[in-house]
Amino acid sequence: NAGVTQTPKFRVLKTGQSMTLLCAQDMNHEYMYWYRQDPGMGLRLIHYSVGEGTTAKGEVPDGYNVSRLKKQNFLLGLESAAPSQTSVYFCASSRRLGTGYTFGSGTRLTVV
Amino acid sequence: KNEVEQSPQNLTAQEGEFITINCSYSVGISALHWLQQHPGGGIVSLFMLSSGKKKHGRLIATINIQEKHSSLHITASHPRDSAVYICAVGGRDDKIIFGKGTRLHILP
Repeated sequence: NAGVTQTPKFRVLKTGQSMTLLCAQDMNHEYMYWYRQDPGMGLRLIHYSVGEGTTAKGEVPDGYNVSRLKKQNFLLGLESAAPSQTSVYFCASSRRLGTGYTFGSGTRLTVV
Repeated sequence: KNEVEQSPQNLTAQEGEFITINCSYSVGISALHWLQQHPGGGIVSLFMLSSGKKKHGRLIATINIQEKHSSLHITASHPRDSAVYICAVGGRDDKIIFGKGTRLHILP
């Protein structure tokens, strides 16, 4: 009964380092999303996917890349981390547009 | 102007009080969502609605499409209801727009 699993839960990076955040869902959902949450702001969409092999840019895509090679996994990559990318990252999935969302528990990333 | 506005931003109430959180939006939507984020950070989807009213336990969500407005009500509030409540609207272009959230604190 895992739902949406994000790894890692916490990470500290140095400026310029790269890393990949993994989101895995076991509900056979078509749609997957990556959001960032910053103090005083609502969740902002980074990238999303409407199905295996597809990705699209969201509201704040710069500095991030994504891949959806398998339906159950949605990867978020930071090629060269910057302090402005310090945030809490949430992955979510949904069966189709407009249906209930299931969120992961979040990844707290600090870039120093 | 933000496309999704929530009010109030912060709300403190006594246990047992009836709580109302409001959400107004300015875009055409396919559905509106209410989410709950507890202090630990996890986000849970409470409701998805495109018309009328939904009820789950002590929580009630309503939406008025013509007025582009939704409300989340909590009856007989309890300290465990303390959380951030987030309104989000789903547009017809696969994207979701989130409000900044309402921080609710219920005092025992």
